[in-house]
Amino acid sequence: GNSVTQMEGPVTLSEEAFLTINCTYTATGYPSLFWYVQYPGEGLQLLLKATKADDKGSNKGFEATYRKETTSFHLEKGSVQVSDSAVYFCALTRLTGGTGKLIFGQGTTLQVKP
Amino acid sequence: SAVISQKPSRDICQRGTSLTIQCQVDSQVTMMFWYRQQPGQSLTLIATANQGSEATYESGFVIDKFPISRPNLTFSTLTVSNMSPEDSSIYLCSVELGPRTFFGQGTRLTVV
Repeated sequence: GNSVTQMEGPVTLSEEAFLTINCTYTATGYPSLFWYVQYPGEGLQLLLKATKADDKGSNKGFEATYRKETTSFHLEKGSVQVSDSAVYFCALTRLTGGTGKLIFGQGTTLQVKP
Repeated sequence: SAVISQKPSRDICQRGTSLTIQCQVDSQVTMMFWYRQQPGQSLTLIATANQGSEATYESGFVIDKFPISRPNLTFSTLTVSNMSPEDSSIYLCSVELGPRTFFGQGTRLTVV
């Protein structure tokens, strides 16, 4: 079945460090891929998405490229800030039922220290 | 965008009791979803709730344990019935609005 695997956390970085959070997936067909973020005390919110192979999603300095050949969607940011501290979830859509039926990875906690 | 209000935000319940979680959306939406996030684990879809029809449950989830109501296009409830400590989780509702999915802040449930 479809699944998403993320690197385990927590990931602890100093401010302005480079961030990579790995995400790989297994799926039949061509799902859309997402990164969601959950800031402390807040709800889950969409960070970026990519809907087809080689698409690059980007938002708030974060980027991820849909790599079909490696079934990956790694999240990157060139220079993290303390305010980026949050839990990050990689997800893909089910093949039926629209974008609301999502399969999530286990989440990766990012802690950025000043 | 959509603003989702979930109530309660957290609760501590005795085993064997039931808790009903409410989800209110500020827009009319066709599809609403209920997820569970067990401690240290990812989000898992419980069911899809469409207005005017029975909820569709994912494998491993049954209506007797998680009855869902969807009386109109802006509201849904999820009941966690006959609770046990294994039901301690965060429960989230989400909606699909256009090409995007929005989530509530979740209900943190602890069963003692």
